[in-house]
Amino acid sequence: ETGVTQTPRHLVMGMTNKKSLKCEQHLGHNAMYWYKQSAKKPLELMFVYSLEERVENNSVPSRFSPECPNSSHLFLHLHTLQPEDSALYLCASSDGLADEQFFGPGTRLTVL
Amino acid sequence: RKEVEQDPGPFNVPEGATVAFNCTYSNSASQSFFWYRQDCRKEPKLLMSVYSSGNEDGRFTAQLNRASQYISLLIRDSKLSDSATYLCVVEATSGTYKYIFGTGTRLKVLA
Repeated sequence: ETGVTQTPRHLVMGMTNKKSLKCEQHLGHNAMYWYKQSAKKPLELMFVYSLEERVENNSVPSRFSPECPNSSHLFLHLHTLQPEDSALYLCASSDGLADEQFFGPGTRLTVL
Repeated sequence: RKEVEQDPGPFNVPEGATVAFNCTYSNSASQSFFWYRQDCRKEPKLLMSVYSSGNEDGRFTAQLNRASQYISLLIRDSKLSDSATYLCVVEATSGTYKYIFGTGTRLKVLA
Protein backbone atom coordinates (compact mmCIF):
# COMPACT_ATOMS: atom_id res chain seq x y z
CA GLU A 1 0.00 0.00 0.00
CA THR A 2 1.24 3.44 -0.84
CA GLY A 3 0.05 6.96 -0.19
CA VAL A 4 -3.04 7.60 1.89
CA THR A 5 -5.79 5.00 2.15
CA GLN A 6 -9.28 5.37 3.58
CA THR A 7 -11.91 2.83 4.54
CA PRO A 8 -14.70 2.38 3.93
CA ARG A 9 -15.04 4.12 0.57
CA HIS A 10 -18.80 4.35 0.92
CA LEU A 11 -20.94 4.34 4.05
CA VAL A 12 -24.68 4.59 4.56
CA MET A 13 -25.84 4.96 8.13
CA GLY A 14 -28.91 5.84 10.10
CA MET A 15 -29.01 8.75 12.51
CA THR A 16 -28.79 6.47 15.53
CA ASN A 17 -25.84 4.40 14.31
CA LYS A 18 -22.24 4.59 15.46
CA LYS A 19 -19.54 4.08 12.87
CA SER A 20 -15.87 4.93 12.35
CA LEU A 21 -13.89 6.10 9.37
CA LYS A 22 -10.30 4.97 9.10
CA CYS A 23 -7.34 6.64 7.44
CA GLU A 24 -3.82 5.26 7.08
CA GLN A 25 -0.82 7.01 5.58
CA HIS A 26 2.24 5.15 4.32
CA LEU A 27 4.35 8.24 3.68
CA GLY A 28 6.08 8.70 7.01
CA HIS A 29 4.34 12.04 7.52
CA ASN A 30 3.91 13.78 10.84
CA ALA A 31 0.62 15.59 10.30
CA MET A 32 -2.82 14.24 9.45
CA TYR A 33 -6.10 15.97 8.68
CA TRP A 34 -9.82 15.37 8.34
CA TYR A 35 -11.78 17.45 5.83
CA LYS A 36 -15.45 17.53 4.90
CA GLN A 37 -16.44 18.24 1.30
CA SER A 38 -20.09 19.00 0.59
CA ALA A 39 -21.57 19.76 -2.81
CA LYS A 40 -20.82 23.31 -4.00
CA LYS A 41 -18.97 24.19 -0.80
CA PRO A 42 -15.24 24.51 -0.21
CA LEU A 43 -13.33 21.84 1.61
CA GLU A 44 -13.85 22.38 5.33
CA LEU A 45 -10.98 21.56 7.64
CA MET A 46 -12.29 19.61 10.61
CA PHE A 47 -9.29 18.39 12.59
CA VAL A 48 -5.51 18.56 12.43
CA TYR A 49 -3.08 16.30 14.22
CA SER A 50 0.62 16.96 14.38
CA LEU A 51 2.87 14.33 15.96
CA GLU A 52 -0.28 12.62 17.24
CA GLU A 53 -1.51 15.71 19.09
CA ARG A 54 -4.59 17.61 18.01
CA VAL A 55 -3.62 21.13 16.99
CA GLU A 56 -6.86 22.30 15.41
CA ASN A 57 -10.51 21.69 15.99
CA ASN A 58 -12.60 23.93 13.80
CA SER A 59 -15.78 24.12 15.86
CA VAL A 60 -16.85 20.68 14.75
CA PRO A 61 -19.96 19.23 16.43
CA SER A 62 -19.22 16.69 19.15
CA ARG A 63 -20.96 13.97 17.15
CA PHE A 64 -17.64 13.80 15.26
CA SER A 65 -14.81 12.49 17.41
CA PRO A 66 -11.28 12.09 16.04
CA GLU A 67 -8.64 9.68 17.28
CA CYS A 68 -4.98 9.50 16.33
CA PRO A 69 -3.40 6.45 17.99
CA ASN A 70 -0.09 6.86 16.12
CA SER A 71 1.41 8.94 13.35
CA SER A 72 0.18 6.59 10.61
CA HIS A 73 -3.46 6.18 11.61
CA LEU A 74 -6.35 8.56 12.01
CA PHE A 75 -9.94 7.71 12.84
CA LEU A 76 -13.16 9.69 12.77
CA HIS A 77 -15.80 8.26 15.07
CA LEU A 78 -19.37 9.13 14.15
CA HIS A 79 -22.49 8.96 16.30
CA THR A 80 -26.02 10.35 16.09
CA LEU A 81 -25.29 12.11 12.81
CA GLN A 82 -27.74 14.30 10.94
CA PRO A 83 -28.70 14.09 7.24
CA GLU A 84 -26.79 17.34 6.61
CA ASP A 85 -23.61 15.49 7.63
CA SER A 86 -23.81 13.56 4.37
CA ALA A 87 -20.67 14.48 2.43
CA LEU A 88 -17.31 13.26 1.23
CA TYR A 89 -14.88 12.94 4.13
CA LEU A 90 -11.29 13.29 3.07
CA CYS A 91 -8.20 12.43 5.04
CA ALA A 92 -4.85 14.00 4.22
CA SER A 93 -1.30 13.89 5.51
CA SER A 94 1.76 16.08 5.18
CA ASP A 95 5.32 16.10 6.36
CA GLY A 96 4.94 19.37 8.24
CA LEU A 97 1.96 21.67 8.77
CA ALA A 98 3.03 24.01 5.95
CA ASP A 99 3.86 21.28 3.44
CA GLU A 100 1.99 19.76 0.53
CA GLN A 101 -0.94 17.66 1.64
CA PHE A 102 -1.59 14.24 0.15
CA PHE A 103 -5.22 13.20 0.17
CA GLY A 104 -6.84 9.83 0.46
CA PRO A 105 -9.68 8.84 -1.88
CA GLY A 106 -12.31 9.81 0.67
CA THR A 107 -15.31 8.14 2.28
CA ARG A 108 -18.64 9.09 0.78
CA LEU A 109 -21.04 9.19 3.71
CA THR A 110 -24.80 9.20 3.45
CA VAL A 111 -26.87 9.70 6.59
CA LEU A 112 -30.48 8.62 6.30
CA ARG B 1 -15.27 39.16 2.27
CA LYS B 2 -14.61 35.42 2.04
CA GLU B 3 -11.20 34.24 3.20
CA VAL B 4 -10.51 32.65 -0.18
CA GLU B 5 -12.66 33.40 -3.21
CA GLN B 6 -12.74 31.82 -6.63
CA ASP B 7 -15.05 32.12 -9.63
CA PRO B 8 -16.80 28.71 -9.67
CA GLY B 9 -17.09 28.68 -13.48
CA PRO B 10 -17.46 26.52 -15.43
CA PHE B 11 -14.93 27.83 -17.88
CA ASN B 12 -15.63 26.12 -21.20
CA VAL B 13 -12.67 26.48 -23.55
CA PRO B 14 -11.65 24.77 -26.81
CA GLU B 15 -8.58 22.58 -26.99
CA GLY B 16 -5.46 24.63 -27.48
CA ALA B 17 -6.84 27.73 -25.79
CA THR B 18 -5.15 29.66 -23.01
CA VAL B 19 -7.20 30.08 -19.85
CA ALA B 20 -6.51 31.91 -16.61
CA PHE B 21 -8.08 31.71 -13.17
CA ASN B 22 -7.73 34.11 -10.29
CA CYS B 23 -8.15 33.55 -6.60
CA THR B 24 -8.42 36.36 -4.06
CA TYR B 25 -7.61 36.05 -0.37
CA SER B 26 -8.47 38.31 2.52
CA ASN B 27 -5.70 37.68 5.06
CA SER B 28 -2.65 39.77 4.23
CA ALA B 29 -0.61 37.65 6.66
CA SER B 30 -0.98 34.59 4.42
CA GLN B 31 2.36 32.94 3.82
CA SER B 32 1.91 29.99 1.47
CA PHE B 33 -0.23 29.48 -1.59
CA PHE B 34 -1.03 26.44 -3.68
CA TRP B 35 -3.10 25.26 -6.60
CA TYR B 36 -4.65 21.82 -6.28
CA ARG B 37 -6.49 19.92 -8.98
CA GLN B 38 -9.53 17.77 -8.26
CA ASP B 39 -10.99 15.45 -10.88
CA CYS B 40 -14.62 14.48 -10.70
CA ARG B 41 -15.27 12.18 -7.72
CA LYS B 42 -11.57 12.02 -6.89
CA GLU B 43 -9.39 13.51 -4.19
CA PRO B 44 -7.52 16.81 -4.60
CA LYS B 45 -3.90 16.60 -5.71
CA LEU B 46 -1.26 19.28 -5.61
CA LEU B 47 -0.75 20.92 -8.98
CA MET B 48 1.83 23.49 -7.99
CA SER B 49 2.99 25.78 -5.22
CA VAL B 50 2.90 29.53 -5.80
CA TYR B 51 6.09 31.40 -5.01
CA SER B 52 6.57 35.14 -4.70
CA SER B 53 8.67 35.06 -7.87
CA GLY B 54 6.08 33.04 -9.77
CA ASN B 55 6.27 29.41 -10.75
CA GLU B 56 6.14 27.72 -14.14
CA ASP B 57 5.74 24.02 -14.84
CA GLY B 58 5.31 23.18 -18.50
CA ARG B 59 2.02 24.63 -19.69
CA PHE B 60 1.09 25.88 -16.21
CA THR B 61 2.16 29.20 -14.71
CA ALA B 62 1.23 30.43 -11.24
CA GLN B 63 1.67 33.99 -10.05
CA LEU B 64 1.26 35.78 -6.72
CA ASN B 65 0.27 39.42 -6.35
CA ARG B 66 0.63 40.33 -2.69
CA ALA B 67 -0.36 43.97 -3.16
CA SER B 68 -3.75 43.03 -4.60
CA GLN B 69 -3.97 39.79 -2.61
CA TYR B 70 -4.61 37.35 -5.39
CA ILE B 71 -2.97 34.38 -7.02
CA SER B 72 -3.46 33.27 -10.60
CA LEU B 73 -3.12 30.11 -12.63
CA LEU B 74 -2.53 30.24 -16.37
CA ILE B 75 -2.91 27.16 -18.53
CA ARG B 76 -1.57 27.34 -22.06
CA ASP B 77 -2.43 25.01 -24.95
CA SER B 78 -5.33 23.41 -23.01
CA LYS B 79 -5.77 19.65 -23.31
CA LEU B 80 -8.94 17.62 -22.82
CA SER B 81 -7.22 16.04 -19.82
CA ASP B 82 -6.99 19.46 -18.13
CA SER B 83 -10.75 19.31 -17.48
CA ALA B 84 -11.07 19.35 -13.70
CA THR B 85 -11.77 21.63 -10.78
CA TYR B 86 -8.86 23.82 -9.72
CA LEU B 87 -8.70 24.63 -6.03
CA CYS B 88 -6.88 27.60 -4.64
CA VAL B 89 -5.35 27.06 -1.20
CA VAL B 90 -4.09 29.76 1.12
CA GLU B 91 -2.24 29.08 4.33
CA ALA B 92 -2.08 31.53 7.18
CA THR B 93 -0.26 30.39 10.28
CA SER B 94 -0.81 33.45 12.40
CA GLY B 95 -1.59 31.90 15.76
CA THR B 96 -3.93 29.10 14.78
CA TYR B 97 -3.16 26.72 11.96
CA LYS B 98 -5.26 27.39 8.90
CA TYR B 99 -5.13 25.86 5.46
CA ILE B 100 -8.05 27.33 3.56
CA PHE B 101 -9.45 25.95 0.35
CA GLY B 102 -11.43 27.95 -2.16
CA THR B 103 -14.61 26.48 -3.63
CA GLY B 104 -12.74 25.71 -6.84
CA THR B 105 -13.00 26.76 -10.46
CA ARG B 106 -14.36 24.20 -12.84
CA LEU B 107 -12.65 23.92 -16.22
CA LYS B 108 -14.05 22.05 -19.22
CA VAL B 109 -11.82 21.73 -22.24
CA LEU B 110 -13.90 20.95 -25.32
CA ALA B 111 -12.80 19.01 -28.41
